[in-house]
Amino acid sequence: GAGVSQSPSNKVTEKGKDVELRCDPISGHTALYWYRQSLGQGLEFLIYFQGNSAPDKSGLPSDRFSAERTGGSVSTLTIQRTQQEDSAVYLCASSLRTGYSYGYTFGSGTRLTVV
Amino acid sequence: RKEVEQDPGPFNVPEGATVAFNCTYSNSASQSFFWYRQDCRKEPKLLMSVYSSGNEDGRFTAQLNRASQYISLLIRDSKLSDSATYLCVVEFSGGYNKLIFGAGTRLAVHP
Repeated sequence: GAGVSQSPSNKVTEKGKDVELRCDPISGHTALYWYRQSLGQGLEFLIYFQGNSAPDKSGLPSDRFSAERTGGSVSTLTIQRTQQEDSAVYLCASSLRTGYSYGYTFGSGTRLTVV
Repeated sequence: RKEVEQDPGPFNVPEGATVAFNCTYSNSASQSFFWYRQDCRKEPKLLMSVYSSGNEDGRFTAQLNRASQYISLLIRDSKLSDSATYLCVVEFSGGYNKLIFGAGTRLAVHP
């Protein structure tokens, strides 16, 4: 597709359940980021993938969070044993490469609600 | 201290006004700089990159001062449609390239 695609767009889950969020970046984009944004707050960095390099996981808030990127394309963010504080919009962004003036394109996000 | 700091606003301005947003960043290894716009309940969208020499795109002008670690965005002749949150974004290049977002400055343009 022309843009970054995320699915599902909305997810309501019960506390304690596991969830998987999917990001399909723009074809050929080597850099992929996951962020989350709580209501009224700024974007919080979670994890970053660049090509075949080991990902930067420094933003993952706990070991319940993990992400993978298969074949340098689609990425999945998994949250195990969800908690109410995990409720947020999870945003994925991709870029052709990191660096000056390339910018990043965001998907429309997955709105996760843990009840 | 936050890595990227912005005045949260809100800035309430009338149509036609000129408004300026400022942003400071703490890491001198920062490499690239951007302004993003985020509408309510929407994803951020790239507004413009910020170059060392300063750059302009229509009514929008961005400036970078590396010595002071300071970025600005100037909007001239504000339109109602400019109402949004403006995010200052810095890319650090130490080891891993990482985008760090400011918390955003909210702009409300009124008739």
